[in-house]
Amino acid sequence: EDQVTQSPEALRLQEGESSSLNCSYTVSGLRGLFWYRQDPGKGPEFLFTLYSAGEEKEKERLKATLTKKESFLHITAPKPEDSATYLCAVQTSNTGKLIFGQGTTLQVKP
Amino acid sequence: GAGVSQSPSNKVTEKGKDVELRCDPISGHTALYWYRQSLGQGLEFLIYFQGNSAPDKSGLPSDRFSAERTGGSVSTLTIQRTQQEDSAVYLCASSSRGTPTGTIYFGEGSWLTVV
Repeated sequence: EDQVTQSPEALRLQEGESSSLNCSYTVSGLRGLFWYRQDPGKGPEFLFTLYSAGEEKEKERLKATLTKKESFLHITAPKPEDSATYLCAVQTSNTGKLIFGQGTTLQVKP
Repeated sequence: GAGVSQSPSNKVTEKGKDVELRCDPISGHTALYWYRQSLGQGLEFLIYFQGNSAPDKSGLPSDRFSAERTGGSVSTLTIQRTQQEDSAVYLCASSSRGTPTGTIYFGEGSWLTVV
């Protein structure tokens, strides 16, 4: 069964304290792995798509990496405005639909 | 508009009533998705449309739920005889193509409360 697991469920960081969020996946065929940011009361905001193992993408303080079993979202020197829930999703090659993890809620304190 | 547009943004309905939720995808996007997010929960897949292909309805939780997509553009999600457990945010997303993956963009959601 296709499955996506994110850890930790919640993460509290001090401003400037770098860390990583994990997304482990088990799928029959990976078409793409997506990272989204979701603020309370809002729809998910697209961050990155990764397609193959070894791929990396960066945007401001965020860097996403991908292996054959997991993806990491690295947050470097976070700021309070980075506080949000980060969602990971995989798109399977046989169905096209996105399967989401439960998310990691990040709180960055000044 | 430039993004995925959903309406209504908020809907309060009485138990047993039918509701319709609308999604306007980004112009030219051939793939359209519906997801449901209950309070504090992850996104639950409901249905996926890709071009003229038969939709993937595997996520619809019961036969009270249905969706259609007219003219390959606007989609309507209909919930019949609403129940309190249907209360959730219903999110629509679209992308430019199914294979290879195009970026999938979400709307802001329709918040449904069944009282």
